[in-house]
Amino acid sequence: RKEVEQDPGPFNVPEGATVAFNCTYSNSASQSFFWYRQDCRKEPKLLMSVYSSGNEDGRFTAQLNRASQYISLLIRDSKLSDSATYLCVVRNFNKFYFGSGTKLNVKP
Amino acid sequence: GAVVSQHPSRVICKSGTSVKIECRSLDFQATTMFWYRQFPKQSLMLMATSNEGSKATYEQGVEKDKFLINHASLTLSTLTVTSAHPEDSSFYICSARDSRVRDSPNYGYTFGSGTRLTVV
Repeated sequence: RKEVEQDPGPFNVPEGATVAFNCTYSNSASQSFFWYRQDCRKEPKLLMSVYSSGNEDGRFTAQLNRASQYISLLIRDSKLSDSATYLCVVRNFNKFYFGSGTKLNVKP
Repeated sequence: GAVVSQHPSRVICKSGTSVKIECRSLDFQATTMFWYRQFPKQSLMLMATSNEGSKATYEQGVEKDKFLINHASLTLSTLTVTSAHPEDSSFYICSARDSRVRDSPNYGYTFGSGTRLTVV
């Protein structure tokens, strides 16, 4: 079983739409959780950490449910520049485990 | 913030040759660095953990004799893909942690910009 599972998409949405991504992880002892953004042929860049209390950064809201080992990312008012692959990432001590990513295409 | 420099960004080599990729931590020392590989449409997979002054720790299924890792100083780790074959073509990324960082959202882990290896 994969450490982190994500719907690969792609999600094709119009500008201004709200879109939600989900992710599940297998190791209940995992310590930290993140969403990274990866543009084509580039390294992943940290978008935001994810906490059980939920956290928001502008148009982005992330949520963690430890009981069900589920992580979500909500993007409101999508922009063209949000088009990218979003990686769900879980840290267990020194090791980071990446989901295969969910591709988002925001159309004009 | 901490910066990790990876070089080269892109390399094309002939089958059977060896390729060396460098990962440098700029302005901080990294006793541990990590090497990942990403095939198209797949997730980043940890290949090995590089430890300064000692042998690297390889993940299951990664051939240590094919992917040679050297971490000779606190700021440099190298990954050498020996006798490369087309199936080794991939995106290789290194990561390092700045242990001085206490309150960073990602605990000080920073990625290099990646190396796209194409073996022809």
